[in-house]
Amino acid sequence: SQQGEEDPQALSIQEGENATMNCSYKTSINNLQWYRQNSGRGLVHLILIRSNEREKHSGRLRVTLDTSKKSSSLLITASRAADTASYFCATVILTGGGNKLTFGTGTQLKVEL
Amino acid sequence: DTAVSQTPKYLVTQMGNDKSIKCEQNLGHDTMYWYKQDSKKFLKIMFSYNNKELIINETVPNRFSPKSPDKAHLNLHINSLELGDSAVYFCASSQVTGGGYTFGSGTRLTVV
Repeated sequence: SQQGEEDPQALSIQEGENATMNCSYKTSINNLQWYRQNSGRGLVHLILIRSNEREKHSGRLRVTLDTSKKSSSLLITASRAADTASYFCATVILTGGGNKLTFGTGTQLKVEL
Repeated sequence: DTAVSQTPKYLVTQMGNDKSIKCEQNLGHDTMYWYKQDSKKFLKIMFSYNNKELIINETVPNRFSPKSPDKAHLNLHINSLELGDSAVYFCASSQVTGGGYTFGSGTRLTVV
């Protein structure tokens, strides 16, 4: 079954506001990653947070991880129209010889001018 | 300078045909993957190869056969295409150590 569930499924905000997306997962993980997908394009890696980390920042992005609740959140501050995209969380479980990246259902973010 | 490149970008074909999608990465990564994204944007892993060796095979029909001639290339051949195979197929690569994945731009397959 699918590893990650994201909430909300869709989010519409005004430019300059903050956007928060949440992700829940089911099993123990090695790390959790967030990706962005613009319409009709491939996925772009945004940030990775390891299971022993609680918070990480990258530019306007802030990610938190609560392994006890098996949940993560992505905060985009001071959003811009260019942030309009689908955002996916993905969990990594190490398998023999490789990593298995399992994606959540995604949040569609629309940032309006 | 594209890191992960897939060809073709679009593929329209009739049911029953056989088709291939090619993928190449120039990042020196050890591991390559195929993912399928359905119409609801759900992404599911299909295969993973590490240094030309199949590592993950996620209950994909036998009609799908990946081939990795070297660690920079991972191709996907699909036999006897069915309507349900219509989707966007993404190739990706990563280091074994668990960093972020680099994705190709996808191949939109439409079976008619």
